[in-house]
Order: sequence, then C-alpha cells, then structure tokens
Amino acid sequence: DGGITQSPKYLFRKEGQNVTLSCEQNLNHDAMYWYRQDPGQGLRLIYYSQIVNDFQKGDIAEGYSVSREKKESFPLTVTSAQKNPTAFYLCASSTDMEETQYFGPGTRLLVL
Amino acid sequence: GIQVEQSPPDLILQEGANSTLRCNFSDSVNNLQWFHQNPWGQLINLFYIPSGTKQNGRLSATTVATERYSLLYISSSQTTDSGVYFCAVGTSGSRLTFGEGTQLTVNP
Repeated sequence: DGGITQSPKYLFRKEGQNVTLSCEQNLNHDAMYWYRQDPGQGLRLIYYSQIVNDFQKGDIAEGYSVSREKKESFPLTVTSAQKNPTAFYLCASSTDMEETQYFGPGTRLLVL
Repeated sequence: GIQVEQSPPDLILQEGANSTLRCNFSDSVNNLQWFHQNPWGQLINLFYIPSGTKQNGRLSATTVATERYSLLYISSSQTTDSGVYFCAVGTSGSRLTFGEGTQLTVNP
C-alpha cells in the first residue's frame, strides 16, 4: 500500500537529549514537510523539502534539524536547544508544493 | 504572511443535521485544501479546491477566490464526522498556511 509512515507513535525525551522522528513515504513524492501541532491549535510548519538534498526552514525551525538524503525519507531531529518540544509532530508529502498534501499518522513527543 | 481565519471555532450538531464551515483568507491564493483531523490525530485531505465547487458524497466545498473565502458543507452529519476541520492556503509555489480549525462534535 502507498502511504506515509511515521515512527515511533510515542516518544519520550529526557532533558538535554536529541531525538529523531522518522518519516518515510512510498508515494514517489518530491516534496515533504514537518509540522508541529500544539493542543487545540492549528499546524505550524517546521521544515520542508522540495527535492532531495535540499530543504528550507519554515516558521518555527529553531531547535530542529532535518536531512533529505533520500527521496522517500525526511527525518526530523528535535535538539536539546528546543526548550518546549512537547507536541504532536506530523509529516506530510506531495508531488510538488502546489499539490494535495498527504499526512502520516503523527508522533507524540513528551518530555520526561 | 497570509492570514487564515476559520469560523466557527466550535460547532455541536445532532446526527442528521447540516452545517457550513467557513475559511477566510487575506490574499490571493492558488492552493486551498480542506482537511479533517480525526480524534486520533490523523489528517485526511478532503478537497483540493483553489476555486470552484466540488462534491464528494455528503461533503461539498466552494471557493470564491475573488472574494477570498471558502465554504465546506457537511450534510446529514454522522458521528464519524466529528473532529477538527482545517483549511490551508498557499500562494504560487509557496508553502501552505493552516487556519486554527473548526472543532465539530456530532452527537447521536
């Protein structure tokens, strides 16, 4: 089945620790995105990538990093510099920036 | 950047009722999408509709680009329609900006 997978479903972070969230798609999409959602709020863009080996900062990139070494993969690292990382993280992809976006099931990150 | 305003923020319906959700945006767009987020957090794309009207079963959407708004109609609502409905817009070649959503609760 074609789609987007995210892992893990739940992730716990200790103070000062970096954690990496996985996002994989087999839809052959060029564009991929990471969003953050806080309770009761809309989605805010963290990073996006329009093509392999290229990515751009979104509205709230501070404390996060990404890589795009393969077309199907766009991992997000939440660094220790992100002081309030507790949130729901959603990955999406589309054929290009102006087309329909498809979302993965999300990862809930909690700080211990 | 572009501003997106959704109304109402919350809506409670009885099963079988109809509803209209609105999305206003502050600039010309060439990308507008409606999404439904279920209670488990999964977002499903409902419509890609930068202009015109589309229908899919009990759901339909209309975007009037010249007046900078879009409407999502839900007819004969069911409990499974509950969740948050998001409108997201984008200008040429740019990323989507999401509204704050409408929380819909359909009671049996």
